[in-house]
Amino acid sequence: QQKVQQSPESLIVPEGGMASLNCTSSDRNVDYFWWYRQHSGKSPKMLMSIFSNGEKEEGRFTVHLNKASLHTSLHIRDSQPSDSALYLCAASDDTNAYKVIFGKGTHLHVLP
Amino acid sequence: EAGVTQSPRYAVLQEGQAVSFWCDPISGHDTLYWYQQPRDQGPQLLVYFRDEAVIDNSQLPSDRFSAVRPKGTNSTLKIQSAKQGDTATYLCASSFPSSGNTLYFGEGSRLIVV
Repeated sequence: QQKVQQSPESLIVPEGGMASLNCTSSDRNVDYFWWYRQHSGKSPKMLMSIFSNGEKEEGRFTVHLNKASLHTSLHIRDSQPSDSALYLCAASDDTNAYKVIFGKGTHLHVLP
Repeated sequence: EAGVTQSPRYAVLQEGQAVSFWCDPISGHDTLYWYQQPRDQGPQLLVYFRDEAVIDNSQLPSDRFSAVRPKGTNSTLKIQSAKQGDTATYLCASSFPSSGNTLYFGEGSRLIVV
């Protein structure tokens, strides 16, 4: 099945800093990407989706997508301790948009 | 609007025992997913349905795992003869095409096999 790789595995940033998370697919058919956030002991919740090349911004969160390299990144500016969570990248391909595969995640720790 | 409901929230089994997890998706969501999430890792797709039909169950770990959604609404995931390696949280999610296929997850069923 398609692979979704995330880096880094773990990231520590100071409060107010910028966090940058990366995600790449090894499947050339991948067409859709999502970012989910999962706080400890809770279920994943969709943060942002991106389906077209370029950039999308929502508040402190910005996602980029480069379809040619199948790479997406999530940037969190002015990071807050409440942003500490497991960030999951998910993808599906254009042959089956409903088969959603997740990466292993990036653990983000924001230190007060 | 009610969210995705799962039960039980927790289960502790001895190896060899069986367990069933139940999921009630958001009303009107036609696609239902089951994921297995080991501790501190990403969710791994097990099976998903469109209405009552299994679309893909190729990721079920073995024939000890089975899932049904007989009326296209609620779903049950069953694990027979559980092993310690099955210890994980089992997440149910649902989606609807007009939502951009955003998955809405339940709170999960945490399984510990000793």
